[in-house]
Amino acid sequence: GAGVSQSPSNKVTEKGKDVELRCDPISGHTALYWYRQSLGQGLEFLIYFQGNSAPDKSGLPSDRFSAERTGGSVSTLTIQRTQQEDSAVYLCASSWAGGSQETQYFGPGTRLLVL
Amino acid sequence: SQQGEEDPQALSIQEGENATMNCSYKTSINNLQWYRQNSGRGLVHLILIRSNEREKHSGRLRVTLDTSKKSSSLLITASRAADTASYFCATVPFGGYNKLIFGAGTRLAVHP
Repeated sequence: GAGVSQSPSNKVTEKGKDVELRCDPISGHTALYWYRQSLGQGLEFLIYFQGNSAPDKSGLPSDRFSAERTGGSVSTLTIQRTQQEDSAVYLCASSWAGGSQETQYFGPGTRLLVL
Repeated sequence: SQQGEEDPQALSIQEGENATMNCSYKTSINNLQWYRQNSGRGLVHLILIRSNEREKHSGRLRVTLDTSKKSSSLLITASRAADTASYFCATVPFGGYNKLIFGAGTRLAVHP
């Protein structure tokens, strides 16, 4: 079946612009995660959605970052007023129910470059 | 912030040789997982070892876990050029849900 998909694959934007990154999880997966991979910080957790529960936003680096998940499926990560340090690969993953023993399936990522 | 460190940062070997990568972490864990990443993009789950397990095998992969030293190792036997990738360990904190805390990764290059 289809894996996790993300769009766009690449995004180049100017400093100060807003960007939206999209994630389509595997059908039936109720848990969805966003991670960021950058040269300086490595791979870091951003946010976690599980079903209808309130998301865990503890990894979001600033209030310029927000994410939503509509209908328990597609998720959008929004970065407002982008800064050059936001340049990174943004990875989305999903799993069946968010249990601690579950495999997370990752999408190919969105490479964001802020000029 | 990252959970811990991996070493070596980079490893270069010939096909057929074994590759060993190490990972250390800082806090109590529920489990530890290893992932592979090709070309800086999507991560592929390789293996999961629970905190009460000491060793696990999957094909050419062997993972060990020493919770007293807060460390793990990944051994790839009889390496192939196709194993060239970055390898990351990730921990799931004890008592938490499946929020992965990644190490810095090891870049493995396998030469034909």
